[in-house]
Amino acid sequence: NAGVMQNPRHLVRRRGQEARLRCSPMKGHSHVYWYRQLPEEGLKFMVYLQKENIIDESGMPKERFSAEFPKEGPSILRIQQVVRGDSAAYFCASSPGQGPSGANVLTFGAGSRLTVL
Amino acid sequence: AQSVAQPEDQVNVAEGNPLTVKCTYSVSGNPYLFWYVQYPNRGLQFLLKYITGDNLVKGSYGFEAEFNKSQTSFHLKKPSALVSDSALYFCAVSRNAGKSTFGDGTTLTVKP
Repeated sequence: NAGVMQNPRHLVRRRGQEARLRCSPMKGHSHVYWYRQLPEEGLKFMVYLQKENIIDESGMPKERFSAEFPKEGPSILRIQQVVRGDSAAYFCASSPGQGPSGANVLTFGAGSRLTVL
Repeated sequence: AQSVAQPEDQVNVAEGNPLTVKCTYSVSGNPYLFWYVQYPNRGLQFLLKYITGDNLVKGSYGFEAEFNKSQTSFHLKKPSALVSDSALYFCAVSRNAGKSTFGDGTTLTVKP
Protein backbone atom coordinates (compact mmCIF):
# COMPACT_ATOMS: atom_id res chain seq x y z
CA ASN A 1 0.00 0.00 0.00
CA ALA A 2 2.02 2.91 -1.32
CA GLY A 3 0.08 5.73 0.31
CA VAL A 4 -0.35 9.10 -1.36
CA MET A 5 2.34 9.67 -3.96
CA GLN A 6 3.34 13.13 -5.06
CA ASN A 7 5.80 14.09 -7.72
CA PRO A 8 8.02 15.79 -8.27
CA ARG A 9 9.24 16.22 -4.71
CA HIS A 10 11.18 19.31 -5.70
CA LEU A 11 10.55 21.56 -8.67
CA VAL A 12 12.44 24.67 -9.71
CA ARG A 13 10.90 27.05 -12.20
CA ARG A 14 11.76 30.49 -13.51
CA ARG A 15 9.20 33.27 -13.40
CA GLY A 16 6.69 32.90 -16.21
CA GLN A 17 7.09 29.15 -16.61
CA GLU A 18 4.47 26.53 -15.85
CA ALA A 19 4.49 24.13 -12.92
CA ARG A 20 2.64 20.82 -12.90
CA LEU A 21 2.33 18.88 -9.69
CA ARG A 22 0.97 15.35 -9.66
CA CYS A 23 -0.78 13.37 -6.97
CA SER A 24 -1.79 9.72 -6.96
CA PRO A 25 -4.20 9.08 -4.10
CA MET A 26 -4.04 6.15 -1.79
CA LYS A 27 -5.52 2.95 -3.24
CA GLY A 28 -9.26 2.93 -2.72
CA HIS A 29 -9.48 6.69 -2.16
CA SER A 30 -11.60 8.72 -4.55
CA HIS A 31 -11.34 12.15 -2.92
CA VAL A 32 -8.34 14.40 -3.38
CA TYR A 33 -7.48 17.67 -1.63
CA TRP A 34 -4.72 20.14 -2.39
CA TYR A 35 -3.20 22.40 0.26
CA ARG A 36 -0.46 24.99 0.12
CA GLN A 37 2.01 25.63 2.90
CA LEU A 38 3.94 28.86 2.68
CA PRO A 39 7.16 29.26 4.68
CA GLU A 40 6.43 29.78 8.37
CA GLU A 41 2.69 29.46 7.76
CA GLY A 42 0.03 26.82 8.16
CA LEU A 43 -1.80 24.78 5.58
CA LYS A 44 -4.21 26.65 3.36
CA PHE A 45 -6.94 24.76 1.54
CA MET A 46 -6.93 25.14 -2.22
CA VAL A 47 -9.24 22.64 -3.88
CA TYR A 48 -11.21 19.45 -3.29
CA LEU A 49 -11.86 17.04 -6.13
CA GLN A 50 -13.49 13.73 -6.81
CA LYS A 51 -12.99 11.78 -10.00
CA GLU A 52 -13.72 14.13 -12.92
CA ASN A 53 -15.37 16.71 -10.64
CA ILE A 54 -14.26 19.77 -8.73
CA ILE A 55 -16.26 19.81 -5.50
CA ASP A 56 -14.86 22.89 -3.78
CA GLU A 57 -12.35 25.32 -5.26
CA SER A 58 -12.93 28.14 -2.81
CA GLY A 59 -9.25 28.31 -1.91
CA MET A 60 -7.87 28.48 -5.43
CA PRO A 61 -6.52 31.78 -6.70
CA LYS A 62 -8.75 33.09 -9.45
CA GLU A 63 -6.01 33.22 -12.04
CA ARG A 64 -3.15 30.96 -13.16
CA PHE A 65 -4.13 28.01 -10.94
CA SER A 66 -6.15 25.00 -12.05
CA ALA A 67 -6.69 21.45 -10.88
CA GLU A 68 -8.08 18.28 -12.32
CA PHE A 69 -8.63 14.69 -11.29
CA PRO A 70 -9.33 12.70 -14.44
CA LYS A 71 -11.04 9.35 -14.62
CA GLU A 72 -7.70 7.70 -15.23
CA GLY A 73 -4.40 8.89 -13.82
CA PRO A 74 -3.28 11.22 -11.08
CA SER A 75 -4.68 14.52 -9.96
CA ILE A 76 -2.82 17.49 -11.42
CA LEU A 77 -2.32 20.93 -9.90
CA ARG A 78 -1.23 23.32 -12.62
CA ILE A 79 0.26 26.75 -12.05
CA GLN A 80 0.72 28.89 -15.13
CA GLN A 81 3.13 31.82 -15.40
CA VAL A 82 4.61 31.22 -11.97
CA VAL A 83 5.73 34.12 -9.78
CA ARG A 84 8.06 34.12 -6.80
CA GLY A 85 5.09 34.23 -4.43
CA ASP A 86 4.07 30.79 -5.65
CA SER A 87 7.13 29.29 -3.96
CA ALA A 88 5.72 26.95 -1.35
CA ALA A 89 5.16 23.35 -0.41
CA TYR A 90 2.08 21.90 -2.06
CA PHE A 91 0.51 18.98 -0.27
CA CYS A 92 -1.98 16.53 -1.64
CA ALA A 93 -4.23 14.50 0.63
CA SER A 94 -6.73 11.80 -0.13
CA SER A 95 -9.63 10.16 1.65
CA PRO A 96 -12.07 7.38 0.92
CA GLY A 97 -14.95 9.82 1.01
CA GLN A 98 -17.74 10.03 3.48
CA GLY A 99 -17.46 7.11 5.85
CA PRO A 100 -20.05 5.94 8.33
CA SER A 101 -19.16 8.79 10.65
CA GLY A 102 -19.26 11.34 7.87
CA ALA A 103 -15.78 12.53 8.65
CA ASN A 104 -12.80 12.51 6.34
CA VAL A 105 -9.48 11.51 7.81
CA LEU A 106 -6.89 12.75 5.37
CA THR A 107 -3.84 10.80 4.28
CA PHE A 108 -1.16 13.21 3.13
CA GLY A 109 1.59 12.87 0.61
CA ALA A 110 5.12 14.06 1.33
CA GLY A 111 4.56 17.26 -0.62
CA SER A 112 6.00 18.96 -3.67
CA ARG A 113 8.28 21.89 -2.98
CA LEU A 114 8.12 24.53 -5.68
CA THR A 115 10.85 27.13 -5.91
CA VAL A 116 10.42 30.00 -8.34
CA LEU A 117 13.59 31.80 -9.28
CA ALA B 1 -17.38 29.42 7.44
CA GLN B 2 -15.15 27.34 9.64
CA SER B 3 -11.90 28.28 11.33
CA VAL B 4 -9.31 27.03 13.77
CA ALA B 5 -7.08 28.98 16.13
CA GLN B 6 -3.92 27.64 17.68
CA PRO B 7 -2.96 30.46 20.04
CA GLU B 8 0.60 29.31 20.70
CA ASP B 9 3.21 29.31 17.94
CA GLN B 10 5.58 27.36 20.17
CA VAL B 11 5.30 25.10 23.21
CA ASN B 12 8.37 24.01 25.15
CA VAL B 13 8.30 21.23 27.71
CA ALA B 14 10.84 19.06 29.49
CA GLU B 15 10.93 15.37 28.75
CA GLY B 16 8.70 13.43 31.13
CA ASN B 17 6.45 16.40 31.85
CA PRO B 18 2.87 16.60 30.62
CA LEU B 19 2.19 18.62 27.51
CA THR B 20 -0.80 20.54 26.19
CA VAL B 21 -1.20 22.06 22.74
CA LYS B 22 -4.22 24.32 22.52
CA CYS B 23 -6.86 24.55 19.80
CA THR B 24 -10.14 26.41 19.52
CA TYR B 25 -12.52 26.18 16.60
CA SER B 26 -15.48 27.86 15.00
CA VAL B 27 -17.97 26.02 12.82
CA SER B 28 -21.71 25.95 12.35
CA GLY B 29 -23.27 22.72 13.44
CA ASN B 30 -21.50 19.73 14.89
CA PRO B 31 -17.75 19.76 14.31
CA TYR B 32 -15.43 16.99 13.26
CA LEU B 33 -12.08 17.73 14.89
CA PHE B 34 -8.66 16.34 14.11
CA TRP B 35 -5.04 16.56 15.18
CA TYR B 36 -2.19 15.94 12.76
CA VAL B 37 1.57 15.98 13.26
CA GLN B 38 4.21 17.06 10.75
CA TYR B 39 7.88 16.15 10.93
CA PRO B 40 10.45 18.17 8.93
CA ASN B 41 10.13 17.79 5.17
CA ARG B 42 7.27 15.33 5.54
CA GLY B 43 3.55 15.34 5.01
CA LEU B 44 1.08 15.47 7.85
CA GLN B 45 0.22 12.33 9.78
CA PHE B 46 -3.14 11.75 11.44
CA LEU B 47 -3.07 11.49 15.24
CA LEU B 48 -6.67 11.40 16.40
CA LYS B 49 -10.19 12.62 15.72
CA TYR B 50 -13.38 13.56 17.51
CA ILE B 51 -16.67 12.83 15.78
CA THR B 52 -19.16 12.19 18.52
CA GLY B 53 -19.46 10.42 21.84
CA ASP B 54 -16.90 10.50 24.63
CA ASN B 55 -15.28 13.91 24.96
CA LEU B 56 -11.87 12.37 25.66
CA VAL B 57 -10.37 10.88 22.54
CA LYS B 58 -7.27 8.69 22.54
CA GLY B 59 -4.97 8.50 19.56
CA SER B 60 -1.57 7.42 18.35
CA TYR B 61 1.69 7.57 20.32
CA GLY B 62 -0.04 8.14 23.67
CA PHE B 63 -1.71 11.38 22.65
CA GLU B 64 -5.23 12.28 23.66
CA ALA B 65 -7.51 15.26 23.18
CA GLU B 66 -10.47 16.63 25.05
CA PHE B 67 -13.45 18.07 23.27
CA ASN B 68 -15.13 20.92 25.15
CA LYS B 69 -18.24 22.12 23.39
CA SER B 70 -18.93 25.08 25.67
CA GLN B 71 -15.41 26.42 25.20
CA THR B 72 -15.22 25.29 21.54
CA SER B 73 -11.85 23.78 22.30
CA PHE B 74 -10.03 20.58 21.38
CA HIS B 75 -6.71 20.64 23.22
CA LEU B 76 -4.10 17.98 22.56
CA LYS B 77 -2.49 16.38 25.59
CA LYS B 78 0.06 13.79 26.59
CA PRO B 79 0.83 12.78 30.17
CA SER B 80 4.59 12.35 29.67
CA ALA B 81 6.40 14.02 26.77
CA LEU B 82 9.22 12.39 24.80
CA VAL B 83 12.00 14.14 22.89
CA SER B 84 10.74 12.33 19.80
CA ASP B 85 7.39 14.16 20.15
CA SER B 86 9.10 17.34 18.98
CA ALA B 87 7.32 18.33 15.76
CA LEU B 88 4.75 20.69 14.27
CA TYR B 89 1.18 19.99 15.34
CA PHE B 90 -1.93 21.02 13.46
CA CYS B 91 -5.52 21.11 14.62
CA ALA B 92 -8.23 20.86 11.96
CA VAL B 93 -12.01 21.11 11.72
CA SER B 94 -14.43 19.92 9.08
CA ARG B 95 -18.10 19.30 8.55
CA ASN B 96 -19.61 16.35 6.76
CA ALA B 97 -17.39 15.16 3.92
CA GLY B 98 -16.05 18.53 2.94
CA LYS B 99 -12.71 20.19 3.28
CA SER B 100 -10.73 20.33 6.49
CA THR B 101 -9.61 23.75 7.70
CA PHE B 102 -6.29 23.78 9.53
CA GLY B 103 -4.84 26.03 12.19
CA ASP B 104 -1.49 27.70 11.67
CA GLY B 105 0.30 25.01 13.65
CA THR B 106 2.16 24.83 16.96
CA THR B 107 5.80 23.82 17.18
CA LEU B 108 6.35 21.50 20.11
CA THR B 109 9.87 21.21 21.46
CA VAL B 110 10.61 18.62 24.12
CA LYS B 111 13.96 19.10 25.80
CA PRO B 112 15.88 16.25 27.46
